Amino acid sequence: EPEVTQTPSHQVTQMGQEVILRCVPISNHLYFYWYRQILGQKVEFLVSFYNNEISEKSEIFDDQFSVERPDGSNFTLKIRSTKLEDSAMYFCASSEALLRGTAFFGQGTRLTVV
Amino acid sequence: TQLLEQSPQFLSIQEGENLTVYCNSSSVFSSLQWYRQEPGEGPVLLVTVVTGGEVKKLKRLTFQFGDARKDSSLHITAAQPGDTGLYLCAGECKNSGYSTLTFGKGTMLLVSP
Repeated sequence: EPEVTQTPSHQVTQMGQEVILRCVPISNHLYFYWYRQILGQKVEFLVSFYNNEISEKSEIFDDQFSVERPDGSNFTLKIRSTKLEDSAMYFCASSEALLRGTAFFGQGTRLTVV
Repeated sequence: TQLLEQSPQFLSIQEGENLTVYCNSSSVFSSLQWYRQEPGEGPVLLVTVVTGGEVKKLKRLTFQFGDARKDSSLHITAAQPGDTGLYLCAGECKNSGYSTLTFGKGTMLLVSP
């Protein structure tokens, strides 16, 4: 069964460093998303991406964040100058269609900023 | 900002019992999705409901979308320990032709043998 895969599963980084979280969405999906979940809190939308550009972003997704689809398969989230409060599980998701979109989530990357 | 309220926040029951969890909002959603999340893992999609009043069944799980598409319920019959997990509802919102998911905080279900 096709699935969304994320790497790494766990990333520890020093405060102020840049991290890149990687995702391989399901191959025939056209819409890609990043969500995050701070420990004990709800899943929060960060950004959606379609046709090689950001289609929606939340207030959380400020200039510190960027997304890219560098090739036909990968979808990346870059976090510049990480802060302690960026520590969270980051989930990538993809969906085939926009209307009635059913999103499939990856296993997540646990980011720990120390 | 659309908010989804899930209740109860935590539910502990014995194997074999029935239960219902709720997802409520003042906003209308294009669709509503239910997920189950295990600790340290990503949400796993259970079902998507689209039409007001729609009922979908997945084995012992019954999902209903409210007539006004503002609320939903998940009913589990004869719960089993394998049903333990965090149940999340997520409403699909459309803005300018694009859609995003807004999640509730979830209902943590613990089913004891």
